[in-house]
Amino acid sequence: DADVTQTPRNRITKTGKRIMLECSQTKGHDRMYWYRQDPGLGLRLIYYSFDVKDINKGEISDGYSVSRQAQAKFSLSLESAIPNQTALYFCATSEQRDHTGELFFGEGSRLTVL
Amino acid sequence: GQNIDQPTEMTATEGAIVQINCTYQTSGFNGLFWYQQHAGEAPTFLSYNVLDGLEEKGRFSSFLSRSKGYSYLLLKELQMKDSASYLCAVMDSNYQLIWGAGTKLIIKP
Repeated sequence: DADVTQTPRNRITKTGKRIMLECSQTKGHDRMYWYRQDPGLGLRLIYYSFDVKDINKGEISDGYSVSRQAQAKFSLSLESAIPNQTALYFCATSEQRDHTGELFFGEGSRLTVL
Repeated sequence: GQNIDQPTEMTATEGAIVQINCTYQTSGFNGLFWYQQHAGEAPTFLSYNVLDGLEEKGRFSSFLSRSKGYSYLLLKELQMKDSASYLCAVMDSNYQLIWGAGTKLIIKP
């Protein structure tokens, strides 16, 4: 089983719908992240969390919100999806004290907004 | 602004050697990472450089020159399974990762 699990893996939705992407991890890491990946662009950070009570905006947080329900769970919500939020979304984790910053990624959630 | 540049695509032959370059301009520097990403899959960690020089790990090596804002990933004895995108990322002074768009490496028999 994967150490970082994302659900759903694929989702097609319509403009204006609310969407939640979920991430759970068994690595015991404190830090969790949500990224989006678009063709021709680098990974862009949406939100990150260093522990359950810590939530931080990333580079492109507008239109997104997150919830850190437990150390192991970090969910990303799109309150009212729009077509330019069509992308591949990755959840990732890292160890708190590891400043080498190696990230462990989930398998990705491909979202299409029509 | 912060910027990471790497070639969009490269082609190489099975068994050969390929060098993928990465240049960066960032606010501070706390290390440079290379990740491998096969099509439709998650990125996986390859290497981390924080000091100048060459780090070798099996068939893969990564080089860093901080004064030049330059790194390369060297892949030797290329195998078909090395066909993937290679992502360069720099950790800035705030320990935030800045990512390049990735280099798609195509291996031909």
